[in-house]
Parts: sequence; C-alpha cells; structure tokens
Amino acid sequence: EVQLVQSGAEVKKPGESLKISCKASGYSFTSYWFGWVRQMPGKGLEWMGIIYPGDSDTRYSPSFQGQVTISADKSISTAYLQWSSLKPSDTAIYYCARHIGRSGNYYCDYWGQGTLVTVSS
Amino acid sequence: DIQMTQSPSTLSASVGDRVTITCRASQSINTWLAWYQQRPGKAPNLLIYDASSLESGVPSRFSGSGSGTEFTLTISRLQPDDFATYYCQQYNSYSGCTFGQGTKLEIK
Repeated sequence: EVQLVQSGAEVKKPGESLKISCKASGYSFTSYWFGWVRQMPGKGLEWMGIIYPGDSDTRYSPSFQGQVTISADKSISTAYLQWSSLKPSDTAIYYCARHIGRSGNYYCDYWGQGTLVTVSS
Repeated sequence: DIQMTQSPSTLSASVGDRVTITCRASQSINTWLAWYQQRPGKAPNLLIYDASSLESGVPSRFSGSGSGTEFTLTISRLQPDDFATYYCQQYNSYSGCTFGQGTKLEIK
C-alpha cells in the first residue's frame, strides 16, 4: 500500500529556516516524480515543483523558483521542502504528492496528509 | 504559464442531482487534465486523469470529458459524501502544472 507520511505542524518566526519532510513507503521511491503543493488558508491548490529521486532532477513552478528548495534522500525514501528565510505569507498547508504519468506529463495519484506551517512574530 | 479557469465557483445541488463542473485552459493541453476532490481538512483525492480515465476505486458516478481547452467533470446522482470542493489540474509538461481555482459543491 502506497503511503506518504508528512512531518508535523510547525510554528516559526519570520526569517527562520525550516525543512519539512514526507516519507514514502509501499512503492519504489526512485521510480516516480515527487512533488509539493501549497494551500494557503481558505484558498486553492498551488503546484510548487517536483523532484525525481532517482537522479535528483528538480523542476519548480516559476512562482516558487528561488523561494523554496525541494530535495530527496533516496536512502530513506524521504522528500523535503525547505525555506531559508520564512515570511508570514508562507503560512499554509503543504502537501506532498507522488506524481505519475508519462512523457513529461504527470498528475498526483497519492497525497500526504499535509503539514501546516504557521509563520508569525 | 497555462491558466485554468473553473466554473462555477460555487454550485448548490441536492442529493440525487446530476451536476457538471467546467474547466477551461488558456491554451491547448490535449487531454493532460486531472480532477481532484477535497473534503474540508483533508488532502485532495484523485478522481479522473487524462481528462476521462477514472482512477481505481472512484465510483462510476464520476466522469470526465473534453480535450484541447474545454473540459467537464460530471457527477450523476449526487451522494452526501460528494459535497466537497473540486479542482481541475493541467499537467501539460513538467515545467509547470496548474490548478483551477476550485468549485465548492454545496448542499441546496
């Protein structure tokens, strides 16, 4: 059974750094693209970017390029989303999602439970 | 970037009704379109991929159609569990997926 288990809720101050995680199980972690989706309070879904754990090839949405870092540790089947300097506007729920598809066209078939990140002074 | 526009933003309906949600892309995306359901406080759940393929385990009352720039999600015979928010997503190349703004399906 495919499972994606995310790390717990975080409360941070502006300017602090943060790395949240998503541990995958039940499938070959290195064989699928893996991505992150943001949902700000009361708002819709925003696709942030994806990584291919097999070779660490990473693609970002233009909206998030330079704002976050996506990485993966294939030895422990875990993907990460990282900020170097948080802003209050980063307050949101972040979902990890396995991506499936072909020829560069990938949708999300399994999702983590979400990690709430709150940034407030 | 490819923009996705869903309509309506909110839809009121009753149990047993048939409803349709529309999603339009700002340029052709062939059939690279998925539909997701999100219940309050939960992660999204995949319903349809490649515009019309039903994800395993999803009830057959859900169906999708369309190609190019116009797509629809139809739910026949609404059930109480179906009242949720629905999102379309284009995935026409991994340089950037985009979601529609969502359609909230409410009980009338």
